[in-house]
Amino acid sequence: GAVVSQHPSWVICKSGTSVKIECRSLDFQATTMFWYRQFPKQSLMLMATSNEGSKATYEQGVEKDKFLINHASLTLSTLTVTSAHPEDSSFYICSARKGTGGGQPQHFGDGTRLSIL
Amino acid sequence: RKEVEQDPGPFNVPEGATVAFNCTYSNSASQSFFWYRQDCRKEPKLLMSVYSSGNEDGRFTAQLNRASQYISLLIRDSKLSDSATYLCVVTLDSSASKIIFGSGTRLSIRP
Repeated sequence: GAVVSQHPSWVICKSGTSVKIECRSLDFQATTMFWYRQFPKQSLMLMATSNEGSKATYEQGVEKDKFLINHASLTLSTLTVTSAHPEDSSFYICSARKGTGGGQPQHFGDGTRLSIL
Repeated sequence: RKEVEQDPGPFNVPEGATVAFNCTYSNSASQSFFWYRQDCRKEPKLLMSVYSSGNEDGRFTAQLNRASQYISLLIRDSKLSDSATYLCVVTLDSSASKIIFGSGTRLSIRP
């Protein structure tokens, strides 16, 4: 069954709206979660690493003021796309690992398809 | 050079065929390796981890060649449901904080 839950799965909204996406780890605690973005026919691109109780680590080229990440608990990370514009339309996916150590695979949420009109 | 490279395909093979594809990585210090499959407009799902000794899960066999810095995925007796994009994933440190995705190989199985 699913180990990571993501909500909502689909969002359509007007330009200028802020959109919040939730990522929850089910039945396990995740001190670290990851946020990715994927454009059509392209690979997943890591946007940021979400750390529980501290600031997120953003990848180069990702605006931290545009993509606000909050990891307030060990089972929940949120990504807020502020003042979204059509170029922000994409597939956003979060992931978490069930255990520690590099040998543990990532488990992905269902993804959120964001369409900005 | 990309950190993780895959042939984008598409690989178009008949049902029942055996198909294999590789993924090369550039960082010799890479720690862990995985194959994921991603269906169209869906999230990636873990297919299998890749171990140094090689590992098999049903019709799927994964192998790691550290000397040549590539991993491979072999699918035997392919099914229509195997049609998907297969992503190679490499982690660069023990904490897996640095994760690199390949761009994926598209596989299409025809009846």
